[in-house]
Amino acid sequence: ILNVEQSPQSLHVQEGDSTNFTCSFPSSNFYALHWYRWETAKSPEALFVMTLNGDEKKKGRISATLNTKEGYSYLYIKGSQPEDSATYLCAAINFNKFYFGSGTKLNVKP
Amino acid sequence: DAGVTQSPTHLIKTRGQQVTLRCSPKSGHDTVSWYQQALGQGPQFIFQYYEEEERQRGNFPDRFSGHQFPNYSSELNVNALLLGDSALYLCASSFQQNYGYTFGSGTRLTVV
Repeated sequence: ILNVEQSPQSLHVQEGDSTNFTCSFPSSNFYALHWYRWETAKSPEALFVMTLNGDEKKKGRISATLNTKEGYSYLYIKGSQPEDSATYLCAAINFNKFYFGSGTKLNVKP
Repeated sequence: DAGVTQSPTHLIKTRGQQVTLRCSPKSGHDTVSWYQQALGQGPQFIFQYYEEEERQRGNFPDRFSGHQFPNYSSELNVNALLLGDSALYLCASSFQQNYGYTFGSGTRLTVV
């Protein structure tokens, strides 16, 4: 079993603030890291798939970086909007199994 | 193009009963994985089906079993339900066990 940890557990920011959160995973036997955005009562939505050390991905105001040697990934949201409110899940893939973190619940206040 | 569909959306069962949850994968996907998400936790891997066989299994007891049909749809069966089985059960599909999972909205199971 892979131990994937996310921090913080929850985050409350004001509209317009930029924010970031962390996903930590064991660096051995790493294959890929996925980030998902999960709104209440909806399906988790894939944001990024990252495989290479030093990878940086961007989608609009959201970006992510990956460090496979030290076992962490950061997700950044620039200029948070209320519609960004969701739980952000990361999953590390090891031997074709997904191991999810507990998620960071983001609440953006207007 | 329909995504992953799960049924039912909500279910209430009594301790000791058996339950069957259903999942239809996204069109073009042939692999189905099941996850359990208890309150306040991340999704936990139950098992994965590919080519109608269980390919991988997480740390779940034998009370949890599954099946994949020739049309790639899948069922999750839980026998002798316990209160602790109350959770959101998510199904995710992909192509040939590869990454790029698409998730369903889940089935909320409550055991009373």
